Amino acid sequence: EDQVTQSPEALRLQEGESSSLNCSYTVSGLRGLFWYRQDPGKGPEFLFTLYSAGEEKEKERLKATLTKKESFLHITAPKPEDSATYLCAVRLNTGGFKTIFGAGTRLFVKA
Amino acid sequence: DTAVSQTPKYLVTQMGNDKSIKCEQNLGHDTMYWYKQDSKKFLKIMFSYNNKELIINETVPNRFSPKSPDKAHLNLHINSLELGDSAVYFCASSTNYEQYFGPGTRLTVT
Repeated sequence: EDQVTQSPEALRLQEGESSSLNCSYTVSGLRGLFWYRQDPGKGPEFLFTLYSAGEEKEKERLKATLTKKESFLHITAPKPEDSATYLCAVRLNTGGFKTIFGAGTRLFVKA
Repeated sequence: DTAVSQTPKYLVTQMGNDKSIKCEQNLGHDTMYWYKQDSKKFLKIMFSYNNKELIINETVPNRFSPKSPDKAHLNLHINSLELGDSAVYFCASSTNYEQYFGPGTRLTVT
């Protein structure tokens, strides 16, 4: 069964304390892996797309990496405004290109 | 200029009623989706349309009926609402890959 698992469920950091969020996946065929940010009361906001193992993407304090089994979202020197839920999603290359989302990691950054 | 918009933002209704949620995108995308996000914040796909044609229909009760009058619109009609339908419903659109989401419609069934 196609599955996307994110860990930890919640992460509390002090401002400036770098860390990583994990997304592991078991899917029949990967077309792409996505990271989204979701703020309370809003829709998910697209951050990155990764297509193949070894690929890396960066945006401000965020860096996403991909292996054959998992992806990491590294947050360097986070600020309180980085507090949000980070969602990982995998787009399959079968079944109408369905996208499966993980349950998310809730990040809290304290000043 | 809003890329993906949904109306209404909030919807409170009683069990047994029929309601609709509208979605419009101005990004020129060919594919649109409906997702349901439950109380645990888990986002699950319901339907996907490509050029007005249904391409994904997950295990959703047939009380839910999507309708796409054109590429820019995908509406969701729900018949005989039940308590378990309470959730936030998101519309999204995409090219081949990344999806762009609307602000969500919080449906509360009492």
